[in-house]
Amino acid sequence: AQSVTQLGSHVSVSEGALVLLRCNYSSSVPPYLFWYVQYPNQGLQLLLKYTSAATLVKGINGFEAEFKKSETSFHLTKPSAHMSDAAEYFCAVSLDGYNKLIFGAGTRLAVHP
Amino acid sequence: EAQVTQNPRYLITVTGKKLTVTCSQNMNHEYMSWYRQDPGLGLRQIYYSMNVEVTDKGDVPEGYKVSRKEKRNFPLILESPSPNQTSLYFCASSTNQETQYFGPGTRLLVL
Repeated sequence: AQSVTQLGSHVSVSEGALVLLRCNYSSSVPPYLFWYVQYPNQGLQLLLKYTSAATLVKGINGFEAEFKKSETSFHLTKPSAHMSDAAEYFCAVSLDGYNKLIFGAGTRLAVHP
Repeated sequence: EAQVTQNPRYLITVTGKKLTVTCSQNMNHEYMSWYRQDPGLGLRQIYYSMNVEVTDKGDVPEGYKVSRKEKRNFPLILESPSPNQTSLYFCASSTNQETQYFGPGTRLLVL
């Protein structure tokens, strides 16, 4: 069975600081991995996805994530946080890449001046 | 504009009063899903459909029904809503080569 664990339900950073949101997964087969962002009162928007090509995946808004098979991790990073990055972030895993997504519990990112 | 739409966006109802949340996509996607989002639990899949007249249960199907009579529409039906179905609901669609596009969400309160 597949599962996703996001470490830290709340993360707070200063504007300009590094953003690191942690995600660990379990999967019996090579997975597809995703990060989604949810801004207040909005739906989910895809940030980036890993589909077994390059292990370092670049997404929108300056975010990137690195797939580490040995650590079963897919952590999301951004070198310099912006106030507009404040949102909830969800890591998700999928067997087929397009249908059923298994989501983590989410991490709410706060950015303070 | 490619999009997934849901209606209504907000709904307050009472226990036992049947309701339907509509979902429509204009991208000719084969796959459609319903998720519910609850604090601390992330999103969980309720039902999904791989094409017209093909539906199957997700992880939390109890108390819900769906139908897929047309490719673009995938309504979620609560025959007898209960307070534990108070949640934020998302519809999503995709093809077999793309990731899922999500609708804006429907916030449901069952009293």
